[in-house]
Amino acid sequence: AQRVTQPEKLLSVFKGAPVELKCNYSYSGSPELFWYVQYSRQRLQLLLRHISRESIKGFTADLNKGETSFHLKKPFAQEEDSAMYYCALAPSNDYKLSFGAGTTVTVRA
Amino acid sequence: GAGVSQSPRYKVAKRGQDVALRCDPISGHVSLFWYQQALGQGPEFLTYFQNEAQLDKSGLPSDRFFAERPEGSVSTLKIQRTQQEDSAVYLCASTPRTGASYNEQFFGPGTRLTVL
Repeated sequence: AQRVTQPEKLLSVFKGAPVELKCNYSYSGSPELFWYVQYSRQRLQLLLRHISRESIKGFTADLNKGETSFHLKKPFAQEEDSAMYYCALAPSNDYKLSFGAGTTVTVRA
Repeated sequence: GAGVSQSPRYKVAKRGQDVALRCDPISGHVSLFWYQQALGQGPEFLTYFQNEAQLDKSGLPSDRFFAERPEGSVSTLKIQRTQQEDSAVYLCASTPRTGASYNEQFFGPGTRLTVL
C-alpha cells in the first residue's frame, strides 16, 4: 500500500523568507512523486514532478529515497505563493495517485 | 480551450436521495478519473476510465456508488441512497492519453455535495 504524509497542516512565513513543506511517503516499490497546488478559488493543478527535475515558480523538490521524503522548497517566498499544497505519489507508470492531507501556506507581507 | 468542467458545482441532498454528478473532460482526453475529497483531507481515488471502459473501480466506497462514461467523453458519478458520510467534494480529472503517472492530470473545479 502507498501512503503520503504531510505533517504540517498550516505553515506561515514572511515574504522573502525561505519556505519548506515536508512530505514523507511509504511505498515498497519505485514511486513517482508530485506536488499539486490549489490557489484560492482555483482548481487543483500540477506544480512539479520529481522525474522532471525542474524548478517551477522558484520551487524545487528532491526525492530522497533513503529518507522516503520529497520536501518542497523555495528560498524566497512571495505573497502569491499562498495556497494549499498537496504531495502525491503514484507507482511508477501507474495512474493511481495517492495524496497527502495538504499544507496550507500563508505568506505574510 | 476550456478545461475540465463539472456540474453542478454545489449539491445539497437529503439523506436517502440519489444524486448524479457530471464531468466534462477536456475534449479528446482519453483517461478520466474521479476522486473524493473529504473536509481537511487530500483527494482519494475512486475510479478510472480509459475511453468508455472502466478499468479500475477499486476506490468506490460502497455499491451505492456507480460511475459511467458510455461514449468515452462525459462521465457521470451516481450515488444512491446518500448518507451523511458521502458529504465531500467530488473531483474529476482527465489526461490526454493513458492514465500512466507521467501524464499530468487536469482537474475540474469539483462538486461540493452536502448530505443533510
